[in-house]
Amino acid sequence: SQQGEEDPQALSIQEGENATMNCSYKTSINNLQWYRQNSGRGLVHLILIRSNEREKHSGRLRVTLDTSKKSSSLLITASRAADTASYFCATGFNSGGSNYKLTFGKGTLLTVNP
Amino acid sequence: ETGVTQTPRHLVMGMTNKKSLKCEQHLGHNAMYWYKQSAKKPLELMFVYSLEERVENNSVPSRFSPECPNSSHLFLHLHTLQPEDSALYLCASSQMVLAGDSPGQFFGPGTRLTVL
Repeated sequence: SQQGEEDPQALSIQEGENATMNCSYKTSINNLQWYRQNSGRGLVHLILIRSNEREKHSGRLRVTLDTSKKSSSLLITASRAADTASYFCATGFNSGGSNYKLTFGKGTLLTVNP
Repeated sequence: ETGVTQTPRHLVMGMTNKKSLKCEQHLGHNAMYWYKQSAKKPLELMFVYSLEERVENNSVPSRFSPECPNSSHLFLHLHTLQPEDSALYLCASSQMVLAGDSPGQFFGPGTRLTVL
């Protein structure tokens, strides 16, 4: 299985602080994606980083990818209470035409306290 | 809004009932997915449809029956479910590509299903 595993499982910080979440996976990927899920809602696609990229930015989000260590990190800078949600990494791989398939981890629950 | 809608948002059913979940995407995508999300477990892919043909069925019990009448609509027909089937059922859509990058997926808000 190339299931992603997020770390930590839960993270609680104060508003304005930075939040860092990590993801590890097991096999080769073509890209890695991060999603956010507010309680009981659907997932929202945040950012995609390709296997040949090392870092990517989108607004207050910064994603890094280290394919040698099979790991990625998501950094949210200057966090806000509205960032409170679960964050999932998902890995995509291209094998026998299965590139549509994403494998999700269990997620990190981020709580940002006002 | 992500462009993917699901109805109903909440459903309570007995084990002998038959019900259907509906998903509609307004993004012009050609692939649609059903996922099951249970507490403390990773998201489980149930079914994938590409161009209205089923391309993936992850050994899902036959009490779940998908239907994709066109590229914009996806149904999940439910019958004789078990209490352990209680979960959040999520629909997603994307563009199916033949090779290269796995596309990002757009999710609906989900249907919270409770089986009594």
